[in-house]
Amino acid sequence: DAMVIQNPRYQVTQFGKPVTLSCSQTLNHNVMYWYQQKSSQAPKLLFHYYDKDFNNEADTPDNFQSRRPNTSFCFLDIRSPGLGDAAMYLCATSRAGTEYYGYTFGSGTRLTVV
Amino acid sequence: DQQVKQNSPSLSVQEGRISILNCDYTNSMFDYFLWYKKYPAEGPTFLISISSIKDKNEDGRFTVFLNKSAKHLSLHIVPSQPGDSAVYFCAATDPSNTGKLIFGQGTTLQVKP
Repeated sequence: DAMVIQNPRYQVTQFGKPVTLSCSQTLNHNVMYWYQQKSSQAPKLLFHYYDKDFNNEADTPDNFQSRRPNTSFCFLDIRSPGLGDAAMYLCATSRAGTEYYGYTFGSGTRLTVV
Repeated sequence: DQQVKQNSPSLSVQEGRISILNCDYTNSMFDYFLWYKKYPAEGPTFLISISSIKDKNEDGRFTVFLNKSAKHLSLHIVPSQPGDSAVYFCAATDPSNTGKLIFGQGTTLQVKP
């Protein structure tokens, strides 16, 4: 089945230690998104790739970076995680112009910072 | 500045009854509105959407109503089933910003048997 896969499902990292979350997709969608969701809050868009073009949200901290080496993979790098970065990180994909049909989300990575 | 708001954090209904989930928005430029359903430890899954040029869209037990003048939409689930128990997110697309989805904070629906 075509899908969006996030690894790992659960990640524990130490305060200040760089961490990378990964997302892969078999849908061949050209747009990939990273959302951060904290408990009882709306998922918040961090950035997205439209093909190879990177689009950063204005309020995304510099601590968060992303890479998309090819169509199928996208990575979220947190350079120096703080306690406030503990959250669920959701990867999603879409085909540009079909947002009406919704994004396809992965199962998320739950990040804990200790 | 939250552009999409779900003011009820939770809702509890009896199996077989109607569930009504509400959502308000502030940006009149939004062109599509979507509802997502999320189970614990899973990502959100797309449920139903509506274009801003329509006022109703129906898919089986799920109906979404849009009131543009009030900047309000609602999701009706009839009849409600225990398997519908989940967090429901309202979202809107912003055509002025590459159509990205802007989410509300979610409403937890519990359907009691």
